[in-house]
Amino acid sequence: EAQVTQNPRYLITVTGKKLTVTCSQNMNHEYMSWYRQDPGLGLRQIYYSMNVEVTDKGDVPEGYKVSRKEKRNFPLILESPSPNQTSLYFCASSLVAGSYNEQFFGPGTRLTVL
Amino acid sequence: SQQGEEDPQALSIQEGENATMNCSYKTSINNLQWYRQNSGRGLVHLILIRSNEREKHSGRLRVTLDTSKKSSSLLITASRAADTASYFCATEGVTDSWGKLQFGAGTQVVVTP
Repeated sequence: EAQVTQNPRYLITVTGKKLTVTCSQNMNHEYMSWYRQDPGLGLRQIYYSMNVEVTDKGDVPEGYKVSRKEKRNFPLILESPSPNQTSLYFCASSLVAGSYNEQFFGPGTRLTVL
Repeated sequence: SQQGEEDPQALSIQEGENATMNCSYKTSINNLQWYRQNSGRGLVHLILIRSNEREKHSGRLRVTLDTSKKSSSLLITASRAADTASYFCATEGVTDSWGKLQFGAGTQVVVTP
């Protein structure tokens, strides 16, 4: 089944404790992206990747890192999480970059930073 | 900054009625997409309309685009309880980097049986 998977689905952590949220897609998509969703603000793009080893900042990249060493994986790294990073995070992928292509979303990761 | 803004923020209708929501955006776009999100889940793509198109249909969905007013509307006809969800428009500005999709805050639709 074609899908985007994220792990973990739920995570409670404490300020400053490094964490990684994994994202994997099995559709051989070139483009992958991370969003955060906060009430009243919709989805905001954190980072995106056009292809392997090509990443770029979205609208809210501060406090986050990403890497794209393999086509299928696009992990989101929070080196030193803070409470303002408490949010619902979504990974998405599409065949190639550009708004002509629909994005496929993962199920989301609900992160709480205490 | 947020490109698309949906209106209304929330909409409550009965089964069988039509639901209309609007999206306004600030800068010229290449295309506009609509997505649906069931509570707490990932977004699902509904329909894409290109900047040179004015109207598009997909099943019970009808999307219009008015580039002169920088707005789009999504109409769901003969709504069902299963249409209860949040609906988002997403745009890529012509001056944005490829892949930088901007989402609005969404319209929350509740369809009661």
